[in-house]
Amino acid sequence: DAMVIQNPRYQVTQFGKPVTLSCSQTLNHNVMYWYQQKSSQAPKLLFHYYDKDFNNEADTPDNFQSRRPNTSFCFLDIRSPGLGDAAMYLCATTAGGRYNEQFFGPGTRLTVL
Amino acid sequence: DAKTTQPNSMESNEEEPVHLPCNHSTISGTDYIHWYRQLPSQGPEYVIHGLTSNVNNRMASLAIAEDRKSSTLILHRATLRDAAVYYCILRDPANAGGTSYGKLTFGQGTILTVHP
Repeated sequence: DAMVIQNPRYQVTQFGKPVTLSCSQTLNHNVMYWYQQKSSQAPKLLFHYYDKDFNNEADTPDNFQSRRPNTSFCFLDIRSPGLGDAAMYLCATTAGGRYNEQFFGPGTRLTVL
Repeated sequence: DAKTTQPNSMESNEEEPVHLPCNHSTISGTDYIHWYRQLPSQGPEYVIHGLTSNVNNRMASLAIAEDRKSSTLILHRATLRDAAVYYCILRDPANAGGTSYGKLTFGQGTILTVHP
């Protein structure tokens, strides 16, 4: 049974056209993360939510925003995608303790034309 | 988090054991050693973690050197499904006061190829 679900798996957008990626989880975890993984690179954290508290990484561009309307759902909004934003976007969740296991979704591969 | 060093790639034959090394010479006394792996076209998944003692679970074993400056992830019988990128990550609970709650800082990892 899928625990962290990401839709769509593949997303194509145009340069500068806003795009939203979604993540949902059935684990009832209070922490949700968004990572960016560019081709042949390791995943890199963009931001996370602890419940409704949003925490941005210092080097995350302003072009990236996030929303978490409830425990189960989290969205990644890219306001004006550039060619450099083409990547795999990974959603992850964890429960409670800071160093508990993180559960990742399958990712959304974003192509920017 | 302290830095880890892993070989870029390793190869194995199916049903043979695989030993994936990780060097972490600057590890602090409170750093835990975590391993995640990422199968092709999937998100990373947790494999195992430990502090000082060797650890075993259904997926793998983790052998930690006595001085903790290195560790080895052991897959006892590699299968084709074990072909993945394996990441060794140090995580320090004592650093819990930061804003990056539970952040995973991935290095480049080791690409494991398993031959039939």
